[in-house]
Amino acid sequence: DAKTTQPNSMESNEEEPVHLPCNHSTISGTDYIHWYRQLPSQGPEYVIHGLTSNVNNRMASLAIAEDRKSSTLILHRATLRDAAVYYCILRGPYNQAGTALIFGKGTTLSVSS
Amino acid sequence: GAGVSQSPSNKVTEKGKDVELRCDPISGHTALYWYRQSLGQGLEFLIYFQGNSAPDKSGLPSDRFSAERTGGSVSTLTIQRTQQEDSAVYLCASSSRGAGGFTDTQYFGPGTRLTVL
Repeated sequence: DAKTTQPNSMESNEEEPVHLPCNHSTISGTDYIHWYRQLPSQGPEYVIHGLTSNVNNRMASLAIAEDRKSSTLILHRATLRDAAVYYCILRGPYNQAGTALIFGKGTTLSVSS
Repeated sequence: GAGVSQSPSNKVTEKGKDVELRCDPISGHTALYWYRQSLGQGLEFLIYFQGNSAPDKSGLPSDRFSAERTGGSVSTLTIQRTQQEDSAVYLCASSSRGAGGFTDTQYFGPGTRLTVL
């Protein structure tokens, strides 16, 4: 799986939007962009994923650049519960190769009240 | 519905002893993964099971580590002759590879914190 680059940390205030960037300049045409987060003392949890088009779900939005070399996870209104480590992961289709998620260091998001 | 469960939640053992960690995946999920997270480190893939296929053991750090999945459901990760460097949180995840899909969502359990004294 191709490598991703994320800032080590970001800070936000409650009720404000948060934009978490991820660079993946070596992404291949079949790589999916997955986001997971890990709350303190918990296992990771799935947030969202996409391939080419922007995606929205109840947790967040994923904005994917037209050239797919970067993406942004958007939390529309941060809450204290959103404080976590956010991982951006590229994953090839499982019918070709690769099964496990390859986690980098992620971005540690702090949310202040 | 019930999520992925793991037991025990905490395990303290002495160096050289064997330990078994258990994972109960979400019912119906055909894929099961084991990862570990050492203090201050990222998550590291260990082993993967998919249906009746041979497991992908490429992430196991040594032959002291083994895992099995019985009946396509519950999985046990065994560490023999534990060492202090085995101390970590061991996480299990499961997923359902639906027909026609090309990527899956993994659902993680809460993990087992292993401490080797």
